[in-house]
Amino acid sequence: AQSVTQLGSHVSVSEGALVLLRCNYSSSVPPYLFWYVQYPNQGLQLLLKYTSAATLVKGINGFEAEFKKSETSFHLTKPSAHMSDAAEYFCAVSDLPGASKIIFGSGTRLSIRP
Amino acid sequence: NAGVTQTPKFQVLKTGQSMTLQCAQDMNHNSMYWYRQDPGMGLRLIYYSASEGTTDKGEVPNGYNVSRLNKREFSLRLESAAPSQTSVYFCASTSSGGGDTQYFGPGTRLTVL
Repeated sequence: AQSVTQLGSHVSVSEGALVLLRCNYSSSVPPYLFWYVQYPNQGLQLLLKYTSAATLVKGINGFEAEFKKSETSFHLTKPSAHMSDAAEYFCAVSDLPGASKIIFGSGTRLSIRP
Repeated sequence: NAGVTQTPKFQVLKTGQSMTLQCAQDMNHNSMYWYRQDPGMGLRLIYYSASEGTTDKGEVPNGYNVSRLNKREFSLRLESAAPSQTSVYFCASTSSGGGDTQYFGPGTRLTVL
């Protein structure tokens, strides 16, 4: 069965510092992987997704993630944090092309220090 | 193009009361979903509908029922609300599932007293 583990429920970085949010997955077949972002009092929106093309995926707002099969990881990074990046971030996995379900991680809240 | 809309935005119920949460999408998507979001638990799937006319249980279906009224609309019903159902509920839709992006509504914040 597929599953997702996000390491760290809360990450705090200084403005301008590197952002690294960790995600490990479990899947019996090559997965589809997603990062979603949720700003306060809003629904989730897609940041980026991996669907078996390039292993380095670029998303919106300067975020990117690298699929590493050997480490079963899909960590999210941004070189320089901005105050507007403060939000909750969710990693998610789906392992079948025609499947309707995706499984979400428990989320990581990102805080940015001035 | 409104995307995914949900009504109501907020609701307070007493234990035992019933209510229906409404969701509609205007993107001609086949699949629709209902999730609940609780602190520290991410999003948990309640029910989903892979296509018009079909519905299936997700991870936490107990205490809920759904109706896929047509391709656009997918409602979630609480027949007898319990305090454990206090949560934020999100509806989402996607073209066909799998590697497709899910589009989320703004959520309904439900409190059961």
